[in-house]
Amino acid sequence: DSGVTQTPKHLITATGQRVTLRCSPRSGDLSVYWYQQSLDQGLQFLIQYYNGEERAKGNILERFSAQQFPDLHSELNLSSLELGDSALYFCASSSPSAGTAEAFFGQGTRLTVV
Amino acid sequence: AQTVTQSQPEMSVQEAETVTLSCTYDTSENNYYLFWYKQPPSRQMILVIRQEAYKQQNATENRFSVNFQKAAKSFSLKISDSQLGDTAMYFCAFMRPSGYALNFGKGTSLLVTP
Repeated sequence: DSGVTQTPKHLITATGQRVTLRCSPRSGDLSVYWYQQSLDQGLQFLIQYYNGEERAKGNILERFSAQQFPDLHSELNLSSLELGDSALYFCASSSPSAGTAEAFFGQGTRLTVV
Repeated sequence: AQTVTQSQPEMSVQEAETVTLSCTYDTSENNYYLFWYKQPPSRQMILVIRQEAYKQQNATENRFSVNFQKAAKSFSLKISDSQLGDTAMYFCAFMRPSGYALNFGKGTSLLVTP
């Protein structure tokens, strides 16, 4: 168990809909990262938050947004869903101040858009 | 931008044998981290081994070791005494100084056969 919790584990929704994925980082970790894993694009970094503030953006679509709350949990919002958004979405957390650089991954949310 | 290349999409090894997975990367940074992550059929991302670029000594974790060649920008993973449970997708990943997002290669699918 990595200590990172993602909910839900599976999600099936229709095109055009909006969903929210939730992530609780490991206790004490201030950084939260979101990644998308799809067959054609591999593992891609979407966005990073550090202690409530957006720190870095990767290949995140404008239809997607995220936030990190004061209790450090994070949510990834996906809207106007398309078939191509079907993927495994991972959340990871780390504590850069610990000096280890290691990122711990949740079990992922499998999103299927039909 | 940093790129990570894994040139072996698939590999196979017999149980108890040794196998080496290749990874090259491109960066202009001098300080960074390199990782190998394992993704078994359960889809969980599991850290296998970590290497800090400023350390010349190659990292080792039980049956897993790396050959880190900084000048050549090469970071290969050696798995000794392969076990059936090593069957998984293996991802090489690059991280700028601690706290930044991971940049993943496309992965190598490893099959360990009896």
